[in-house]
Amino acid sequence: ETGVTQSPTHLIKTRGQQVTLRCSSQSGHNTVSWYQQALGQGPQFIFQYYREEENGRGNFPPRFSGLQFPNYSSELNVNALELDDSALYLCASNHVQARSGANVLTFGAGSRLTVL
Amino acid sequence: AQKITQTQPGMFVQEKEAVTLDCTYDTSDQSYGLFWYKQPSSGEMIFLIYQGSYDEQNATEGRYSLNFQKARKSANLVISASQLGDSAMYFCAMREGEKAGGFKTIFGAGTRLFVKA
Repeated sequence: ETGVTQSPTHLIKTRGQQVTLRCSSQSGHNTVSWYQQALGQGPQFIFQYYREEENGRGNFPPRFSGLQFPNYSSELNVNALELDDSALYLCASNHVQARSGANVLTFGAGSRLTVL
Repeated sequence: AQKITQTQPGMFVQEKEAVTLDCTYDTSDQSYGLFWYKQPSSGEMIFLIYQGSYDEQNATEGRYSLNFQKARKSANLVISASQLGDSAMYFCAMREGEKAGGFKTIFGAGTRLFVKA
């Protein structure tokens, strides 16, 4: 149990539709990041939220948007879905590892999106 | 710009032997953190080990150690006494400003490790 839960685990959409993916992290974890992982590739950074404000964004178009809520949950919204959006979407929250003091990402199990 | 390079798409190792997974990075920042994550077939990313750019000693966590060579910008993961359960994808990652929030973490393309019985 990592403390980061994502829903849904799997979903299928058609091209042009919109999707909302959800993430819930542990209380006190103020930073949440979203990643896209295409099959056989490493995770690609989409964006990061800190205290409900976006404070970092990767090379993704504006149709990828997000929200973070005061209760440590967050959403990733993707509009006008394209076939290439098919991927595993990972949510991660930051926590400080006691031993090293490092800010470490804790990931959820991901939401696998298939766009037909 | 930040960049992580993992040049080994796949690696094989015999059970109980040691294996080294390569990682090189590029950054213009003086302060950064290096991480290794494991991703089993279930998909969940599992944090393994961390090395700060100012840490003089190589990090160790149980059977995992990080061979950090700052001048060469390499951060190789060494797994000792491989077990069948080590078969997974392994990702090297970097974040600038390793003890601060608000910076993104980027990942390499990964290395798939196969442990043979």
